Amino acid sequence: DTEVTQTPKHLVMGMTNKKSLKCEQHMGHRAMYWYKQKAKKPPELMFVYSYEKLSINESVPSRFSPECPNSSLLNLHLHALQPEDSALYLCASSQGGGRSYNEQFFGPGTRLTVL
Amino acid sequence: AQKITQTQPGMFVQEKEAVTLDCTYDTSDPSYGLFWYKQPSSGEMIFLIYQGSYDQQNATEGRYSLNFQKARKSANLVISASQLGDSAMYFCAMRHYGANSKLTFGKGITLSVRP
Repeated sequence: DTEVTQTPKHLVMGMTNKKSLKCEQHMGHRAMYWYKQKAKKPPELMFVYSYEKLSINESVPSRFSPECPNSSLLNLHLHALQPEDSALYLCASSQGGGRSYNEQFFGPGTRLTVL
Repeated sequence: AQKITQTQPGMFVQEKEAVTLDCTYDTSDPSYGLFWYKQPSSGEMIFLIYQGSYDQQNATEGRYSLNFQKARKSANLVISASQLGDSAMYFCAMRHYGANSKLTFGKGITLSVRP
């Protein structure tokens, strides 16, 4: 199984809502990532979990809260978002560690619209 | 610091012809990996090909090959026998050694295949 799954595929939320994005992989990967991507732009790294510990937080506003319940799951909790947070949110995973240039496998993304 | 440059405007190619997508990079670290990803309009980032900085031969994966010129710091993607399904955005990316090393993306190139 070389797939990263993400749910939901589409999400529309108001600025006062609380929602969560979910990501799952069953490849035994130990590194998982959240990216934000605006239209026609490259992905921007938000968070990295390595061996279930948060290793990188790219100064993301606190209205985005990541969680890694176990090595296969990654969540992104959303609260009090702004319209400018509307974007494609991509999850990725890789084998982890620094001893090789492991490719990152991406999920299909969640298209988020904040009203 | 590492940087990826993709300067071509939208590219067009006739079906069944070959096309080259340019990528140059800048880094002072001798150990790195270069990646190409394809992103169709559906949003999913699809890994295409990888080249390590110490690899002696250019990488190939089916219709994709990477023209790696280390001295010129270029890593161009060559797609042979273009298909309509190749129409997408293509991102070049680089990652260094190290557990917390990030994947740095270029701004991307849009490829359109004409029937």
